[in-house]
Order: sequence, then C-alpha cells, then structure tokens
Amino acid sequence: DGGITQSPKYLFRKEGQNVTLSCEQNLNHDAMYWYRQDPGQGLRLIYYSQIVNDFQKGDIAEGYSVSREKKESFPLTVTSAQKNPTAFYLCASSIFLGTDGYTFGSGTRLTVV
Amino acid sequence: GDSVTQMEGPVTLSEEAFLTINCTYTATGYPSLFWYVQYPGEGLQLLLKATKADDKGSNKGFEATYRKETTSFHLEKGSVQVSDSAVYFCALSFYLGDRNQFYFGTGTSLTVIP
Repeated sequence: DGGITQSPKYLFRKEGQNVTLSCEQNLNHDAMYWYRQDPGQGLRLIYYSQIVNDFQKGDIAEGYSVSREKKESFPLTVTSAQKNPTAFYLCASSIFLGTDGYTFGSGTRLTVV
Repeated sequence: GDSVTQMEGPVTLSEEAFLTINCTYTATGYPSLFWYVQYPGEGLQLLLKATKADDKGSNKGFEATYRKETTSFHLEKGSVQVSDSAVYFCALSFYLGDRNQFYFGTGTSLTVIP
C-alpha cells in the first residue's frame, strides 16, 4: 500500500546536537511538506518542496534545513540553532497542485534531553 | 488574508449524541475544503473533502457541506462513538501564484464518554 513513512517515531536530542528526521513516500507525489505541531496548537509549516532539488521556506524555517535529492525522500534536519525543538513533527505529501489534500505520515516526536 | 476559523474545544459528548464542529473560512477564489482527524500520537488522516460549492463530503458517518454563501464547512455526525474521540482539523487549499496554499484551523478536541 502507498503511504508516507516517518522515522523514527521517537527521537531524543542532546543540547547542541543536530538530528535528522526521515520522511519517505511511495505515492509518486510531487510535493512534500514538513510541519511542526506543539501541544494544543495547530500546524505550522517549516519547509516545502514542489519538485526534486527545489525547496522553499515556510513560516518557521529558522533552525531547520531540508534536502530533496529524490522524489520519494524529504529529510528534515533540526540544527542546534533551533532553540526550542521539542515538538511533534509531521511530514506530508500531495500531488503538485495539492487540491486533493495532503497525505500525512504518522509523525516523529522529538524531545530535547 | 486567507484563513480558517474553527470552533474552539474541548468538546465533550456522551455516546450517541449529535456532533457539530463549526468551521468558517476566508479565501480569495474557490478553495477546496477538508476535514482531517488526528488520533493521539498519530498523524493527520483525511476524513472528508469538498471541492466546490454545495458539494457534500462524507465518510464514516461524518458529513460536511461546502456553503459558499456562509463561507462555512461545518462537520456533523448524527451519533458519535467513543472511538471518535480525537482532534479534528478544518483546512482549505487553493493554488495561488507558484504554489498550493494550504491553511489549517487550530483543531477541535473531541472526547466522547460512554
């Protein structure tokens, strides 16, 4: 079955470390997205990519970086510059126009220890 | 600007009660409208959608009708179950400029008690 796989499900980061969250899709979707969700809050867009080798900043890109070397993959790196990284991270994908809605992964919960 | 406003929660209902979660939107053009559901510790799942005025989306007993005259897309279910306990997000999508614009509401938490 087609879908989006995020890994790991839980991730712990020490202060000053960079960590990378994986997102892989086999839906043949052109566009991919990263969102951050904090407790009791809505979703905030971090980065998005509409085609391979191209990506754009969302509303809260500071302290994050991404790459899109393959259509299927859109990893997110949370750098040490992100001062408050503890959150639930959601990856999503869509057809290019996105008007059919997004398909979401099951999320990665990142905690700073 | 473009946005989605949905009813604040939390909402607590008894099993078999009627559910309404209000959602209104502001958008230029003609967006597609969606309801997503998020169960604890999981990602968002598409519950239903409507792509044009007067369309009714439905799934798993949930319904929502795209009302352009009132710019609304309220979610309803006639008889809720304990398993419906989750957070519900209203969202809209439209293509503008060089990319798709997608806006989420802040979510409404629903708890159904036996």
